[in-house]
Amino acid sequence: QVQLVQSGSELKRPGASVKVSCKASGYIFNSYPMNWVRQAPGQGLEWMGWISTNTGNPTYAQGFTGRFVFSLDTSVSTAYLQISSLKAEDTAFYYCARERGIQGMGRFDPWGQGTLVTVSS
Amino acid sequence: QSVLTQPPSVSAAPGQKVTISCSGSSSNIGNNYVSWYQQFPGTAPKFLIYDNNKRPSGIPDRFSGSKSGTSATLGITGLQTGDEADYYCGTWDSSLSAYVFGTGTKVTVL
Repeated sequence: QVQLVQSGSELKRPGASVKVSCKASGYIFNSYPMNWVRQAPGQGLEWMGWISTNTGNPTYAQGFTGRFVFSLDTSVSTAYLQISSLKAEDTAFYYCARERGIQGMGRFDPWGQGTLVTVSS
Repeated sequence: QSVLTQPPSVSAAPGQKVTISCSGSSSNIGNNYVSWYQQFPGTAPKFLIYDNNKRPSGIPDRFSGSKSGTSATLGITGLQTGDEADYYCGTWDSSLSAYVFGTGTKVTVL
């Protein structure tokens, strides 16, 4: 079945970096865009941007430029989110989500199970 | 803060109906498709409604979506205790060139 499996929880110090993986299975990886969504504890969903799994071209939402990098390894059907210079306010669940339709249509299905990144000294 | 506004919470007794509103503008809901997502505590969101009113396979017809102007609505009929969750609307915002989610609504079954 179509599924996205993300890497496990991370505990990082402020200023460190983290790389979250999202491994896809059950479909042709480079046929569907991959989106990233952040959810701070007890808060709502926030779209971070997306990456074309066909060209590797990333697009970042406002507020997610500079320290956030989307990348791919198509040989293992995996998308990555790297966050550098971590801050306490980066503490959140990070989800990958496949766009089933044309990018922007918001047919996010499925979602990864989420990766909790905790930034604390 | 989100550009899509939802009520923080709605509630009803088992078997009853609830509706959740999602209010936006011409740059988002007014000119783009709306999706809805269901999220249980501690789990990832689940795709519930797309293209304003379509249900993915496996979603019961107790869930329905509609859109009028710059607002969208999610309806849940025959409410069950298993429907207790947070619900989010979402759509593309052409002015922001970004996908935006609503503020989220917690459904409680009394």
